Amino acid sequence: DSGVTQTPKHLITATGQRVTLRCSPRSGDLSVYWYQQSLDQGLQFLIQYYNGEERAKGNILERFSAQQFPDLHSELNLSSLELGDSALYFCASSPGLGGSYNEQFFGPGTRLTVL
Amino acid sequence: GQQVMQIPQYQHVQEGEDFTTYCNSSTTLSNIQWYKQRPGGHPVFLIQLVKSGEVKKQKRLTFQFGEAKKNSSLHITATQTTDVGTYFCAGPRIQGAQKLVFGQGTRLTINP
Repeated sequence: DSGVTQTPKHLITATGQRVTLRCSPRSGDLSVYWYQQSLDQGLQFLIQYYNGEERAKGNILERFSAQQFPDLHSELNLSSLELGDSALYFCASSPGLGGSYNEQFFGPGTRLTVL
Repeated sequence: GQQVMQIPQYQHVQEGEDFTTYCNSSTTLSNIQWYKQRPGGHPVFLIQLVKSGEVKKQKRLTFQFGEAKKNSSLHITATQTTDVGTYFCAGPRIQGAQKLVFGQGTRLTINP
């Protein structure tokens, strides 16, 4: 158990819908990262927040947005869903700004299926 | 942009055989991290290498960072069924950056 929690575990929805994925980082971690992992694919970095502010952005679609709240939990919003958005979405956290110098602790993931 | 390539993409071995995965970056890395993801699980941090030519061992796992800091390898001696999973390397996009670029991973399967 990494200490990072994600809800829900599974999500099934239809094309065109909007969903929100939630992540609570490990106690004391200030950075939260979101990744997308499609079937048999590697981890695609989406976005990072540090203490409530956006710090780094990857290939995140305009239909996707995220935020980190004062209690440090984060939400990833996916809208106008398409079939290709079906994937595992991981949240990770690290103590500091992370990346180069901090290991990342991954949550169990949310499996999104778009029908 | 920076790319981190891993080979092979898949590797199937007999239990007891050795296994190696290689990670190559198009640019010099300030450091490199390795993660393992078990089937159905989430990535778990294994190790971080920082120094040129660094070698670190964890029981049957040996990690190396190349002299030019553009490549790395993970070698597992005498694989066991518990080693099954996908091994990812990851490096920062630029020095000091927060964004990690992950390789595509090497999926290891083992015949008991």
